[in-house]
Amino acid sequence: DTGVSQNPRHKITKRGQNVTFRCDPISEHNRLYWYRQTLGQGPEFLTYFQNEAQLEKSRLLSDRFSAERPKGSFSTLEIQRTEQGDSAMYLCASSSILASGDEQFFGPGTRLTVL
Amino acid sequence: AQSVSQHNHHVILSEAASLELGCNYSYGGTVNLFWYVQYPGQHLQLLLKYFSGDPLVKGIKGFEAEFIKSKFSFNLRKPSVQWSDTAEYFCAASDTGRRALTFGSGTRLQVQP
Repeated sequence: DTGVSQNPRHKITKRGQNVTFRCDPISEHNRLYWYRQTLGQGPEFLTYFQNEAQLEKSRLLSDRFSAERPKGSFSTLEIQRTEQGDSAMYLCASSSILASGDEQFFGPGTRLTVL
Repeated sequence: AQSVSQHNHHVILSEAASLELGCNYSYGGTVNLFWYVQYPGQHLQLLLKYFSGDPLVKGIKGFEAEFIKSKFSFNLRKPSVQWSDTAEYFCAASDTGRRALTFGSGTRLQVQP
């Protein structure tokens, strides 16, 4: 399968714990995005990388959230001191700088439940 | 602020009925527009996109959308829906200066056989 992959698919944690999610983009894609989706809403943009550089961050991305893409390939999203309000689906997407219109391809998401 | 509105939250149709889902956007400059679909248990997939040129764009599975700049709209249409079109549909937009997509809240389409 050459699509975007995300691990784990589900994560249940207790409030106050740290969690880390991983995203592997489509191999030739140099842009990578993180979004968050809560029930009944569309995805909300969190952050965006071009290669290893984090070029844009949403105000939704509080200081408890950090994302990295150290070698310009896979990316990790870490949430420190989780809160119940962090419960959501975390989506990763990737796109190619060479593609017209920057079509973003989405992964299956990681569903986070904070108890 | 940039925003995308989808006014139909839940639509129920019978097979072979025609479909039109509304999408309005609020953007100050040049806008790129998208429709994504999420079938039950699957991830978001692109149905169609508009960047420039012909305002009537055709996508996969017989879907089309029309960009009407004067109305700030990008409505999705299909002349005859099938049971397999049951899914959630999201309209999204971005401007040419940013990569982030702004999504609407989605429309759940239920097609009854």
